[in-house]
Amino acid sequence: AQSVTQLDSQVPVFEEAPVELRCNYSSSVSVYLFWYVQYPNQGLQLLLKYLSGSTLVKGINGFEAEFNKSQTSFHLRKPSVHISDTAEYFCAVSGPPGYSTLTFGKGTMLLVSP
Amino acid sequence: DAMVIQNPRYQVTQFGKPVTLSCSQTLNHNVMYWYQQKSSQAPKLLFHYYDKDFNNEADTPDNFQSRRPNTSFCFLDIRSPGLGDAAMYLCATSREISGNEQFFGPGTRLTVL
Repeated sequence: AQSVTQLDSQVPVFEEAPVELRCNYSSSVSVYLFWYVQYPNQGLQLLLKYLSGSTLVKGINGFEAEFNKSQTSFHLRKPSVHISDTAEYFCAVSGPPGYSTLTFGKGTMLLVSP
Repeated sequence: DAMVIQNPRYQVTQFGKPVTLSCSQTLNHNVMYWYQQKSSQAPKLLFHYYDKDFNNEADTPDNFQSRRPNTSFCFLDIRSPGLGDAAMYLCATSREISGNEQFFGPGTRLTVL
């Protein structure tokens, strides 16, 4: 079984400040990792994903994440946030090829203020 | 050029009155998923189809059923909605199950009166 922990339910930050949203996972096998963003009353949109290769993954809207196998983490970062980044962010894990659906974390609400 | 379409966006039903939510995709993906998302919570997978192969999550109530008549369409039927079924229902698709990006629709917000 696999699980995802997002320790912060809310992260308030000022515009143009850097931000890190934390994600830790638990799995007995190798995994694929994802970050999704959800704006109010909308579906989820993929920000970035790690399948293999370079542990630093760049996504859309200036976000990036680093896969750290020893710490079982996949933290999301952005060097300078905008008001428009205010949204809910979900980290998710999927097992290796076979038959493993996505398991989501509980989400982190990023609140960007002027 | 919408890829995953959900209708309606907002649905109001009465307690115990059956309701059907629909999802269609233009991506020709093998897999279609239905999630339930309650306020400030993560999406919870109800079931998914790999082509015509139906897979129910162990804790999905019997009140929830699904149909996939063809590759493009998938329906969520709630036979007797209760107040606790009020939620956002998200449809998603992917080419394969593991390691593939899931594409989400905008969701249908269900209100039960």
